[in-house]
Amino acid sequence: GQNIDQPTEMTATEGAIVQINCTYQTSGFNGLFWYQQHAGEAPTFLSYNVLDGLEEKGRFSSFLSRSKGYSYLLLKELQMKDSASYLCAVLDSNYQLIWGAGTKLIIKP
Amino acid sequence: GAVVSQHPSWVICKSGTSVKIECRSLDFQATTMFWYRQFPKQSLMLMATSNEGSKATYEQGVEKDKFLINHASLTLSTLTVTSAHPEDSSFYICSANRNGENTEAFFGQGTRLTVV
Repeated sequence: GQNIDQPTEMTATEGAIVQINCTYQTSGFNGLFWYQQHAGEAPTFLSYNVLDGLEEKGRFSSFLSRSKGYSYLLLKELQMKDSASYLCAVLDSNYQLIWGAGTKLIIKP
Repeated sequence: GAVVSQHPSWVICKSGTSVKIECRSLDFQATTMFWYRQFPKQSLMLMATSNEGSKATYEQGVEKDKFLINHASLTLSTLTVTSAHPEDSSFYICSANRNGENTEAFFGQGTRLTVV
């Protein structure tokens, strides 16, 4: 079966750095996405990785290792507004998005 | 970026009634749109794939007669929850990709449905 694992919840301090990991086992791979979702709102796109390596976009970076079935989202200089759920999703061989359960990130002052 | 508009944002209805949710791509065409359901503290669950001009493809366990999907144009898909029950109360979200692109799914704002 297809499976995406990410931690349920993480806590970090304002101004610090946090890394959210995601491991996946899917039938085929056509890219991995990270989305941010605030409570009661739709997800918003953060990043897309299809090749191995690190993609940096401002305070957020995303890393992918296809051979290990592994990705992480790195958030730097954390702000209170970064408190949200972070969803990892993989596009499988049928171009269907397979979603992780999301990681709830709590930022403390 | 592309914009997907979903309406209504929230709705309260009585048990047994039907509710229609619209999903529009405002500045791009989408042959395919996706309908998701999300329960509190859970991830998005794909309900169905809406295809313009043809029947929707439903995921296993989703009743096609209860969740009617119509994708009549390249910019509009509708989801109708028929004979709603309290257990249908959930957050429904649609998404669409620009035709020919798979690099980003654009989401509607979501619809909070409460059935009383």
